[in-house]
Amino acid sequence: KAGVTQTPRYLIKTRGQQVTLSCSPISGHRSVSWYQQTPGQGLQFLFEYFSETQRNKGNFPGRFSGRQFSNSRSEMNVSTLELGDSALYLCASSSGVYGSGYTFGSGTRLTVV
Amino acid sequence: QQQVKQSPQSLIVQKGGISIINCAYENTAFDYFPWYQQFPGKGPALLIAIRPDVSEKKEGRFTISFNKSAKQFSLHIMDSQPGDSATYFCAADQAGTALIFGKGTTLSVSS
Repeated sequence: KAGVTQTPRYLIKTRGQQVTLSCSPISGHRSVSWYQQTPGQGLQFLFEYFSETQRNKGNFPGRFSGRQFSNSRSEMNVSTLELGDSALYLCASSSGVYGSGYTFGSGTRLTVV
Repeated sequence: QQQVKQSPQSLIVQKGGISIINCAYENTAFDYFPWYQQFPGKGPALLIAIRPDVSEKKEGRFTISFNKSAKQFSLHIMDSQPGDSATYFCAADQAGTALIFGKGTTLSVSS
């Protein structure tokens, strides 16, 4: 059974640019969550999508947005990149049944220069 | 406001020893408490999880102890092995809204 696939694995962008990250969840999983991981702040929740609808949102500025497609694949977009956006962005998928657990991908390492 | 506090930040244990990582939470509405293991270059992987109506859960060498009244829970790794060397995160969730993670514990198991 294929795991959670995130593309690309690494990305270097210039301050002010925008970026789109992609996540393909485990087959059959309808919930996709995004997290930002940095050495200083640790793992922080960005947002969660279930059946193409954003169900929950973390405390991040509006520059961070996402969407989910009918096949449950999800994209995350960050506009007007700042140096502080450099981080590992992790996607996690779940069946949507509470307590079933989340499976994380290996992440996309974004570096903003 | 950090809702889940994890300690210690780092831990060195001899091979065969017991590794203990502690977490404390503030929000009594949390109802799901998982532990994740992360290796360099990989995403966190679910190790074991517990609900607040259970005081202990064991899976192989990994045990979660849960103290609802103290709002604390801990991970015990028995017979620690060098392959257990990784970063461990506790987390808490409320009705599936979002995982709130602790800051992580870097475990090194010396052979």
